Amino acid sequence: AQKITQTQPGMFVQEKEAVTLDCTYDTSDPSYGLFWYKQPSSGEMIFLIYQGSYDQQNATEGRYSLNFQKARKSANLVISASQLGDSAMYFCAVETSGSRLTFGEGTQLTVNP
Amino acid sequence: GAVVSQHPSRVICKSGTSVKIECRSLDFQATTMFWYRQFPKQSLMLMATSNEGSKATYEQGVEKDKFLINHASLTLSTLTVTSAHPEDSSFYICSAEGNTYNEQFFGPGTRLTVL
Repeated sequence: AQKITQTQPGMFVQEKEAVTLDCTYDTSDPSYGLFWYKQPSSGEMIFLIYQGSYDQQNATEGRYSLNFQKARKSANLVISASQLGDSAMYFCAVETSGSRLTFGEGTQLTVNP
Repeated sequence: GAVVSQHPSRVICKSGTSVKIECRSLDFQATTMFWYRQFPKQSLMLMATSNEGSKATYEQGVEKDKFLINHASLTLSTLTVTSAHPEDSSFYICSAEGNTYNEQFFGPGTRLTVL
């Protein structure tokens, strides 16, 4: 079974600053994928970034980057230059065999003006 | 990017009735779709994996007779909540598997309220 842990139920950041959202995972699968999704209050799940377990370099997508530390089983999301529209719930997820996604409990990010 | 729609977006029904939720991949074919349930301020929990042309695979603890899944075509999967009760009130989200590193494209969700 897979387990994702997001230890920060809520995070606050000042507009234009960077913020790191923590995620640790536990899986016995040798090959897996790590995802981060954003869920605004409207409910839709917005894909942000993906990291494969065999990828050597940390993934980056615009203002999003993933700090992947495989030995520590950690996949933290870094959001640079925070914007007010970044306020949302953020979920980390691990994908293993059969494309099944297991989600963490989420972190509610609030960006203050 | 790929688009997944869900219908209806919101439904209110009386206890004991059945509710059907549709999930469609609009611009791509999806052999595999997934159904999730999300209670308020909680995470998404996978309910079942829906495969076109075959029976769905349900997660442990999910009643297959209560949550009927049909994936009759490569663009449509349906979830029917049979004899719904207030405890079934939740946000139901579907996703369809894409072709790039197993990415899943999520629908906008359906909020079910059972009175």
